[in-house]
Amino acid sequence: QSVLTQPPSVSGAPGQRVTISCTGSSSNIGADYDVHWYQQRPGLAPKLLIHSNSNRPSGVPDRFSASRSGASASLAITGLQEEDEADYYCQSYDNTLGGFLIFGGGTKLTVL
Amino acid sequence: VQLVESGGGLVEPGGSLRLSCAASGFRFHTALMSWVRQAPGKGLEWVGRIRDRSDGATTLYGAPVKGRFTISRDDSKNTLYLDMNSLKTDDTAVYYCATDRGDLDNWGRGTLVTVSS
Repeated sequence: QSVLTQPPSVSGAPGQRVTISCTGSSSNIGADYDVHWYQQRPGLAPKLLIHSNSNRPSGVPDRFSASRSGASASLAITGLQEEDEADYYCQSYDNTLGGFLIFGGGTKLTVL
Repeated sequence: VQLVESGGGLVEPGGSLRLSCAASGFRFHTALMSWVRQAPGKGLEWVGRIRDRSDGATTLYGAPVKGRFTISRDDSKNTLYLDMNSLKTDDTAVYYCATDRGDLDNWGRGTLVTVSS
């Protein structure tokens, strides 16, 4: 059971918009720690998609955006493309037990 | 930036294994580094991190591996290590090394560790 809660799956048709939520608590996202997002295509290593709540690394299309509010965060993907089919993970920091990095359980995005 | 993990393989429960992560293309000696693992068909799990020498090369570990796993670094070889002892079947996973800024901005391709009798 992950400290950060994500829906196991979401889906959408090409061209549509989908969102993925990431819910934490007062010891992580709610304590004002940054949220980061990763994309993992089948068989590949994760790739940083969004850092520091809403910032896209160079090369990430602007179809990807994210935000954070309170103890939650969300990732939005607009203009869905087949290549977006992947697993998406949120990540933050938790200040209990000496502090550690935490991940959400991951969300499988299916492009219909 | 390139990170290449090695050292994975099959090991019996209770056994030990050392993973390496060869780094290039950035100033390794100033980088904070983390290990992350992914069990087959499961999500990502943070294993631990090591700070750079200026921060005392201090380490921090996730609860499932604390006391069994040790992270170290050899800045002269641009190499990160993960020493794993008292391995359990639950430790079966692909192990990734990553550069750690709070986010994990560069990842290796991973090395598979299988713990089985």
